Amino acid sequence: GAGVSQTPSNKVTEKGKYVELRCDPISGHTALYWYRQSLGQGPEFLIYFQGTGAADDSGLPNDRFFAVRPEGSVSTLKIQRTERGDSAVYLCASSSTGHPLNEQFFGPGTRLTVL
Amino acid sequence: DAKTTQPNSMESNEEEPVHLPCNHSTISGTDYIHWYRQLPSQGPEYVIHGLTSNVNNRMASLAIAEDRKSSTLILHRATLRDAAVYYCILRDDGSSNTGKLIFGQGTTLQVKP
Repeated sequence: GAGVSQTPSNKVTEKGKYVELRCDPISGHTALYWYRQSLGQGPEFLIYFQGTGAADDSGLPNDRFFAVRPEGSVSTLKIQRTERGDSAVYLCASSSTGHPLNEQFFGPGTRLTVL
Repeated sequence: DAKTTQPNSMESNEEEPVHLPCNHSTISGTDYIHWYRQLPSQGPEYVIHGLTSNVNNRMASLAIAEDRKSSTLILHRATLRDAAVYYCILRDDGSSNTGKLIFGQGTTLQVKP
């Protein structure tokens, strides 16, 4: 079956611009996570959705970052006024429920480059 | 979440067993030990998890010390495809836990032909 997909696979933008990154989770998965991975580092948690609501957004670095999941399926991570330090691979993962021990299935990521 | 410590890198020869260690001396009684790995240019993937007893699945085995302060991921016959970064992660099954994964630096495994 289809796994987690993310679009675009690569995004190059200029400093100060607005970007949207999309995540399509596995069908039926209620839990969705966003992570950010800088070069040479492990992924860093950003936000967790259970259904349509953001249950934990403690990892969002500042108010330039925002994410939505209006119908409990597809999610969009939005970054305003991008900065060079936002350059990273943005990973999305989903799991069947929000149980903390459930396996998370990751997408291939979106590589964001801010010039 | 409790912290884990792993070697930065390890090398192995193809078709030989690999033992990847992880220290978690501050583990709590409700922490499960999870392993994920990340192949080059891919997102992480689940490998195995356990609480107290050793665990086996088609990908690997997990050996957990009796005091639970350390564990070892065992790949029985390394292949070139096993070259990846391996992450040891503690996950609390408490109801207040959102299930987010806290990744460390992981161990980069190099497999030589």
